[in-house]
Amino acid sequence: DTGVSQNPRHKITKRGQNVTFRCDPISEHNRLYWYRQTLGQGPEFLTYFQNEAQLEKSRLLSDRFSAERPKGSFSTLEIQRTEQGDSAMYLCASTLRVLAGEGSYNEQFFGPGTRLTVL
Amino acid sequence: QKEVEQDPGPLSVPEGAIVSLNCTYSNSAFQYFMWYRQYSRKGPELLMYTYSSGNKEDGRFTAQVDKSSKYISLFIRDSQPSDSATYLCAMSLNTGGFKTIFGAGTRLFVKA
Repeated sequence: DTGVSQNPRHKITKRGQNVTFRCDPISEHNRLYWYRQTLGQGPEFLTYFQNEAQLEKSRLLSDRFSAERPKGSFSTLEIQRTEQGDSAMYLCASTLRVLAGEGSYNEQFFGPGTRLTVL
Repeated sequence: QKEVEQDPGPLSVPEGAIVSLNCTYSNSAFQYFMWYRQYSRKGPELLMYTYSSGNKEDGRFTAQVDKSSKYISLFIRDSQPSDSATYLCAMSLNTGGFKTIFGAGTRLFVKA
């Protein structure tokens, strides 16, 4: 499978525990995004990487959240001291950022997500 | 007020019907308008994108953007049970998806 993969697919944890999710983007995609999606809502942007550099973080990304993309390949998203409000689907997407003319769109390819439940 | 408003439905139609899905938005600077389809327990997949105003057709799907009204639509002709999914509109200021804003999604059920 050459698509975006995410692990684990499901995670149940107790409040206060730390969790880490992994995203493997499509090979050679240089941009990687993390989103959070709660029930009945669309994905909300959390952060993105251009290669190994984290270029933007949303206000949604509190100091309990940290993301890394070592060597510009896979990425991890860690949530420390989880709270019940962190329960959501965490989606990863990747794209090959190319310089293109106006009107061209660099498609984001989404993974299947990691569903987090905090008890 | 949310930047992008989308009726969550659910919308239930018989097989073969024409489906109309819509979103409104408030930021006139949006340039790229996307429609994603999301099946249960899956990530969203891009159906179509439109740059600026106008129509775009791809098979049974037609996307329309009216920037003067800040209104976008997706039409599905000859709907099939396999079209049953959540449809998300999304908008971006620029290419590449950075700061893409998604609607809440409309759940569609197509009955055989």
